[in-house]
Amino acid sequence: DTAVSQTPKYLVTQMGNDKSIKCEQNLGHDTMYWYKQDSKKFLKIMFSYNNKELIINETVPNRFSPKSPDKAHLNLHINSLELGDSAVYFCASSLRPVSRLDTQYFGPGTRLTVL
Amino acid sequence: AQKVTQAQTEISVVEKEDVTLDCVYETRDTTYYLFWYKQPPSGELVFLIRRNSFDEQNEISGRYSWNFQKSTSSFNFTITASQVVDSAVYFCALSEVNYGGSQGNLIFGKGTKLSVKP
Repeated sequence: DTAVSQTPKYLVTQMGNDKSIKCEQNLGHDTMYWYKQDSKKFLKIMFSYNNKELIINETVPNRFSPKSPDKAHLNLHINSLELGDSAVYFCASSLRPVSRLDTQYFGPGTRLTVL
Repeated sequence: AQKVTQAQTEISVVEKEDVTLDCVYETRDTTYYLFWYKQPPSGELVFLIRRNSFDEQNEISGRYSWNFQKSTSSFNFTITASQVVDSAVYFCALSEVNYGGSQGNLIFGKGTKLSVKP
């Protein structure tokens, strides 16, 4: 069974559209994250959710909105997509809500291409 | 500021050679964790190891070994007798404890692309 899963794996869309990427973890973890990996492979945290509460929100445009219906899911919704949003987006999760720095386990990534 | 530097952008070796991937970090905190992740050509991120700042013991796992030197703020990764399947991008990452108790970010280095040729 996949521990952290993301759908879709590939997403190709036009500029200006709105799209969502879904993430689910079956590890029973309390904290989930979204990372962006750009074309140069640089990985950067976007959001973190701890028990459905946003606890990190880096300098990400407000076109990006994370939504967590429950602690096993953290979806990423993107409005008005721009060319610069093209990247691979990784979801991750870790066990406990308050940092004792548990290991983060990553999903397979979603490659978003904005045309 | 927290920072992770992987100075080697790309390394190419021939199978069976040993290779060391360097990682140097900067942090103001005394409590932190260091990680290595592997990203093979298929794209997923695979956790390899976690080391906390109070544990400077080196670790060996099969052909992989890690050397943590707090005095030089380095956490280097060595692959012994490399194999073609080791070809991947390897990321070093740093996570700090925030005083408010919230989850620390993972700060990633820019990665080192390792190519192992037969």
